Amino acid sequence: QVQLVQSGAEVKKPGASVKVSCKASGYTFTGYYMHWVRRAPGQGLEWMGRINPNSGGTNYAQNFQDRVTMTRDTSINTAYMELSSLRSDDTAVYYCARGDASDYWGQGTLVTVSS
Amino acid sequence: DIQMTQSPSSLSASVGDRVTITCRASQTISSYLNWYQQKPGKAPKLLISAAFSLQSGVPSRFSGSASGTDFTLAIASLQPEDFATYYCQQSYSIPFTFGPGTKVDIK
Repeated sequence: QVQLVQSGAEVKKPGASVKVSCKASGYTFTGYYMHWVRRAPGQGLEWMGRINPNSGGTNYAQNFQDRVTMTRDTSINTAYMELSSLRSDDTAVYYCARGDASDYWGQGTLVTVSS
Repeated sequence: DIQMTQSPSSLSASVGDRVTITCRASQTISSYLNWYQQKPGKAPKLLISAAFSLQSGVPSRFSGSASGTDFTLAIASLQPEDFATYYCQQSYSIPFTFGPGTKVDIK
């Protein structure tokens, strides 16, 4: 069965970086885009970007263009999202999700940014 | 960027009610419209893709329709497990923007 398993919760100080992993299983990893979406407390879903695991090509939302890097390691079927220059308003649950119509989601990773 | 709006932002309904949620795109998105349900503390769940296509395992009381840039999610007879927040998302062009969400709670 398809599974996306994300890394655990993180607490970071403002200005630091965080790297969240998403390990895929149960399907051909290179066959679907991997998307990253976040939900801040009291807010709605926010699309951050996607990576093509086959080519490594990425598309980022303008809001994150300068601070986000999405990568993948096809040898271990894992996608990564790194967000730099963290601010308090980056506190959110970050999700990976498979495909442009995202039919499978990771369990979410809480990233807390606090001094 | 394509802007997505949803109405209402919240609604109160009773079990058995018919509920409709509307999503409007700021420009044409063809039928590249997805609907998600999210419950507190859980990941979003894809209900409908491509405006009309019900995902496997999703109850048939959920349906999607479209007219131009207006899209509707209907729940034919609201069940207790349907109380949640619903989001539309366009997957026509980057960035794949979400609507602000519609919270459905118990009257």
